[in-house]
Amino acid sequence: AQRVTQPEKLLSVFKGAPVELKCNYSYSGSPELFWYVQYSRQRLQLLLRHISRESIKGFTADLNKGETSFHLKKPFAQEEDSAMYYCALISGGSNYKLTFGKGTLLTVNP
Amino acid sequence: SQTIHQWPATLVQPVGSPLSLECTVEGTSNPNLYWYRQAAGRGLQLLFYSVGIGQISSEVPQNLSASRPQDRQFILSSKKLLLSDSGFYLCAWTQVADTQYFGPGTRLTVL
Repeated sequence: AQRVTQPEKLLSVFKGAPVELKCNYSYSGSPELFWYVQYSRQRLQLLLRHISRESIKGFTADLNKGETSFHLKKPFAQEEDSAMYYCALISGGSNYKLTFGKGTLLTVNP
Repeated sequence: SQTIHQWPATLVQPVGSPLSLECTVEGTSNPNLYWYRQAAGRGLQLLFYSVGIGQISSEVPQNLSASRPQDRQFILSSKKLLLSDSGFYLCAWTQVADTQYFGPGTRLTVL
């Protein structure tokens, strides 16, 4: 069965410091991975997906199949990055089901 | 453009009472629809999904049920609520193996 693990429930950094939110997955097929973000009082929304290899709001994530990881990184955290971050894995087939991790609450302190 | 609505935004219900949460999508046709529950420390749990009218798949055993009476309408129901049903319920839609778009959610408190 597929599984997504985010080992840190809480992560606190200072503004300008690098940040890394960890995500490990377990999946027998070829994974498609995503990071979703939920800012305070806003809807859960897509941050980035590994297939597009894009950088959004300064965040990047590299899929490492050897380590089965998809860590989210940003070199210089900003206060507005404070939010709940979820790593997610999509299953195959036409149902497009997402399996989410339990989330990491990132707090960026001034 | 596509939008997704959920109502009510908040709901306080006594144990044993029925439940009906509604989700509607505008601006798209034949979407896949999903119900999730978001609980503190437990992340997002997929409850039900639907790939078409009348087609419901359940992911976890529980006393909740879902229905899709129309293409862009997804309803989450219960005949008798339990305390453990309290949580934040999210509806989402997608049409491709790409982005899922989430609604604003319903905060349910069962007392």
